[in-house]
Amino acid sequence: SQQGEEDPQALSIQEGENATMNCSYKTSINNLQWYRQNSGRGLVHLILIRSNEREKHSGRLRVTLDTSKKSSSLLITASRAADTASYFCATLSNYQLIWGAGTKLIIKP
Amino acid sequence: DTAVSQTPKYLVTQMGNDKSIKCEQNLGHDTMYWYKQDSKKFLKIMFSYNNKELIINETVPNRFSPKSPDKAHLNLHINSLELGDSAVYFCASSQGTGGLQPQHFGDGTRLSIL
Repeated sequence: SQQGEEDPQALSIQEGENATMNCSYKTSINNLQWYRQNSGRGLVHLILIRSNEREKHSGRLRVTLDTSKKSSSLLITASRAADTASYFCATLSNYQLIWGAGTKLIIKP
Repeated sequence: DTAVSQTPKYLVTQMGNDKSIKCEQNLGHDTMYWYKQDSKKFLKIMFSYNNKELIINETVPNRFSPKSPDKAHLNLHINSLELGDSAVYFCASSQGTGGLQPQHFGDGTRLSIL
């Protein structure tokens, strides 16, 4: 069964604005990963945050993890047209990644 | 250089046929996966192989049979295709098992059953 749930399902913002996506999960995890999927392509790994970490940065990406609330957020700052894609969170539980249905992000020029 | 490549990219076939999808990775990873992504974008693990050994075999009809001739290749054979098999199938690889390392995905095979 799907464990990660992204919120919102779809997000449309102007280029240059910040985009925030959330992920909630149900069981205890070892790590949480965020991936990006461009239309017609495979998923690309963005960032991995371990269960003992609270925040992680990579370029314009900032990920937070709150294990008490079983939630994570992905912030993309200064969005660009090239950030238009679907974003998925995946949680590691019982040695297997469980995926959400993704947030579709559209960056308007 | 493509890290994870799968062929074909598109597969259109009749119900009842048998088809195969091939996957190769040149990353030196020891674990490979097959995923199915449905029309609502849900991604579901089907199989996982580590060093040619099957380690994850989710509830998948036995019409689906993976085969790993070596740790760089993981093929998927599907017998007696059904309408519900229409989806995008992704191959992925990682170093080590258990999701502790990022997974690298191919660009998918779009399977359409007529």
